[in-house]
Amino acid sequence: DQQVKQNSPSLSVQEGRISILNCDYTNSMFDYFLWYKKYPAEGPTFLISISSIKDKNEDGRFTVFLNKSAKHLSLHIVPSQPGDSAVYFCAASVYSSASKIIFGSGTRLSIRP
Amino acid sequence: GAGVSQSPSNKVTEKGKDVELRCDPISGHTALYWYRQSLGQGLEFLIYFQGNSAPDKSGLPSDRFSAERTGGSVSTLTIQRTQQEDSAVYLCASSPTAVQFSGISEAFFGQGTRLTVV
Repeated sequence: DQQVKQNSPSLSVQEGRISILNCDYTNSMFDYFLWYKKYPAEGPTFLISISSIKDKNEDGRFTVFLNKSAKHLSLHIVPSQPGDSAVYFCAASVYSSASKIIFGSGTRLSIRP
Repeated sequence: GAGVSQSPSNKVTEKGKDVELRCDPISGHTALYWYRQSLGQGLEFLIYFQGNSAPDKSGLPSDRFSAERTGGSVSTLTIQRTQQEDSAVYLCASSPTAVQFSGISEAFFGQGTRLTVV
């Protein structure tokens, strides 16, 4: 049972344009969401997070949007840069029960010149 | 070092042998996670330690897998009688507390241990 789903395994975006990565979740108990970025041969690194009390969180070029009714979140990167090419993982957790973080399967983002 | 440290970085073992993977979390972090990433797959949750609470072992794929965390710090993931399907990168992460709304308690990952079972 995949509780966090990233249905697009890959995405190619032109440099300077907006990259939009999507994520869906099935567990309505999730109330904290995170995005991680992973380069080859490295561990994932934290990018940005959002709690369920918000619908948007922005940090520089990165913005995460949360639509609780649709159980959907998205990560927007604008403008996209070559260094953004990586695998992006969406993750979720249930804060109130101090539960584990569940990750999606990842989306490989490629920024083309 | 200041980050999560995992050893070894690479391990090749023969099918049927036991292996131990080590994780040194960031000092003071109470939460510790083990995940694995098989080739072309996402991050699969294995086990989660939070302070003195009983670990969440719900992700361990079989009874050949076990993990312990001694003194609330170092953790060892043990795989007995390894199989070829155990080949993956095993990632450890730690966080200061459980994930919090403040966003400062995200999990920090180590570089991983690449396990190859031949």
